[in-house]
Amino acid sequence: AQSVTQLGSHVSVSEGALVLLRCNYSSSVPPYLFWYVQYPNQGLQLLLKYTSAATLVKGINGFEAEFKKSETSFHLTKPSAHMSDAAEYFCAVTKGGSYIPTFGRGTSLIVHP
Amino acid sequence: NAGVTQTPKFQVLKTGQSMTLQCAQDMNHNSMYWYRQDPGMGLRLIYYSASEGTTDKGEVPNGYNVSRLNKREFSLRLESAAPSQTSVYFCASSPSSSLVQYFGAGTRLSVL
Repeated sequence: AQSVTQLGSHVSVSEGALVLLRCNYSSSVPPYLFWYVQYPNQGLQLLLKYTSAATLVKGINGFEAEFKKSETSFHLTKPSAHMSDAAEYFCAVTKGGSYIPTFGRGTSLIVHP
Repeated sequence: NAGVTQTPKFQVLKTGQSMTLQCAQDMNHNSMYWYRQDPGMGLRLIYYSASEGTTDKGEVPNGYNVSRLNKREFSLRLESAAPSQTSVYFCASSPSSSLVQYFGAGTRLSVL
């Protein structure tokens, strides 16, 4: 079985500050990992994905995530937060051979001016 | 670029009423999915369809039925709505060659 844990249901940062959203996974086989973003009243859209290539993955809007197998983590970072980054962020894991992802419960990013 | 289109966007039902949520995608994707999103619960899979003509239960299928009408369309039916089905429902699709899912804008359903 696979599962995803997102630490912190809400993360609050100041504009210009570092964004760090945490995701830990459990999977019995090498996983595929994803971060999705959901803006208010919209569906989810892909930010970035890890599919066993480079461990540091760059996504859209300046976000990146690093796959750390030893820590079973896939944390999302952005060096400098922008007001437009305020949204709900979801980490998801799919194990190899399956196309059904397991989603984390989401982290709401709040950006203060 | 329509992508995944869901109708309706909003709906209010009375307990016991039935309704069908519609979903269509124009990306020629093989796989389609229905999720519900509740506060603090993330997304939970209701049903999915790996390809035209097949459907399978997800994590929370009770109280729902689905129909994969053709490759483009995947509908979700509530036969007898209950207040516990108040939620935001998302349809998604993905190509066979990719694990990435593409989501619609959602249907916000309230059951009174």
